[in-house]
Amino acid sequence: KAGVTQTPRYLIKTRGQQVTLSCSPISGHRSVSWYQQTPGQGLQFLFEYFSETQRNKGNFPGRFSGRQFSNSRSEMNVSTLELGDSALYLCASSLASPGQRNTEAFFGQGTRLTVV
Amino acid sequence: QKEVEQDPGPLSVPEGAIVSLNCTYSNSAFQYFMWYRQYSRKGPELLMYTYSSGNKEDGRFTAQVDKSSKYISLFIRDSQPSDSATYLCAHVDYKLSFGAGTTVTVRA
Repeated sequence: KAGVTQTPRYLIKTRGQQVTLSCSPISGHRSVSWYQQTPGQGLQFLFEYFSETQRNKGNFPGRFSGRQFSNSRSEMNVSTLELGDSALYLCASSLASPGQRNTEAFFGQGTRLTVV
Repeated sequence: QKEVEQDPGPLSVPEGAIVSLNCTYSNSAFQYFMWYRQYSRKGPELLMYTYSSGNKEDGRFTAQVDKSSKYISLFIRDSQPSDSATYLCAHVDYKLSFGAGTTVTVRA
């Protein structure tokens, strides 16, 4: 069974640009969550999607957005990139439905974003 | 205050030793916790999921929750160099609230 696939693995962008990251969940998983991992803040929750709807959102500025498609694939977008957006962006998929605890969330390898 | 606090270490042990990892949590209502392992340049890998108080064992790994002290622990018996990684504890509801992660090195 294929795991969570994130593309691209590495990205280098310039301040002020925008970026789109992609996540393909495990087959059958309809819940997709995004996390940001930095050395200073650790792993922080960005948002969660289920059936193309954003269900929950973390404490990040509006420059961070996402969407989910009918096949459960998800994308996240960061606009007007700042140096502090440099991080590992991780996607996790699970079988959890809205209202359920997100146990057994499986992570992808992540996309390493560097903003210069 | 973060929901889950974890000492980032680093922790270095000889091969075969018992690795003991601890986290504390802030809210006594928390019941569901998970442990992840993250190798360098990889995504976190689910190790174990525990609920409420008590122990859960899976091979060389034992997870423990002590609600009275709001402590969660992970023990790795007979540690191997391949166990060298960062270990992350997390509280689970609709999202995962992670501790900082503890970096463990098992010396051959």
